[in-house]
Amino acid sequence: GAGVSQSPRYKVAKRGQDVALRCDPISGHVSLFWYQQALGQGPEFLTYFQNEAQLDKSGLPSDRFFAERPEGSVSTLKIQRTQQEDSAVYLCASTRGVPAGELFFGEGSRLTVL
Amino acid sequence: TQLLEQSPQFLSIQEGENLTVYCNSSSVFSSLQWYRQEPGEGPVLLVTVVTGGEVKKLKRLTFQFGDARKDSSLHITAAQPGDTGLYLCAGVTYGQNFVFGPGTRLSVLP
Repeated sequence: GAGVSQSPRYKVAKRGQDVALRCDPISGHVSLFWYQQALGQGPEFLTYFQNEAQLDKSGLPSDRFFAERPEGSVSTLKIQRTQQEDSAVYLCASTRGVPAGELFFGEGSRLTVL
Repeated sequence: TQLLEQSPQFLSIQEGENLTVYCNSSSVFSSLQWYRQEPGEGPVLLVTVVTGGEVKKLKRLTFQFGDARKDSSLHITAAQPGDTGLYLCAGVTYGQNFVFGPGTRLSVLP
């Protein structure tokens, strides 16, 4: 596709449910980033892939968060046993590669945990 | 931990006024970027500054990178309602990661 595509756009989960958020980056983009954005705040780094390798996962808030990019293209962010504090917009972004250039963002997945 | 601070946090001005927003860090970055984000959308890149002391102009927007490459400013001349949005600075680390500031929310009233 022409841009970064994220799905679902909106997700409502009951506390304790597992959720999976998908990111389809721009074709050929090597690097892929996940960010968490609370209402009115800037994006907070979660994790970063270069191709299929997860180079940095230091921003994942707990072991309930897991991300993968098995074939170096589509990525999935999984949140297990969701908590209310997980409610946020999850943004995915991709770049062509190294050196890092422009981050191209998707529209985000808004997660609401009840 | 590399952190970016932005000020002011909120800014509400009348159409036609000038404004400056600031981005500061105690860390040195390989480059610094400014993004603008509108509600329900992802951030969109406005500019990248690389060299200490660099100044870039984009129509009514002027971006400056500090000499020590730790801070930056964005100046908007004659603001228009279309400039309304969340302005984010992002430091690009030497490890090719992007660290975002908390943003300045700008509202330009007609």
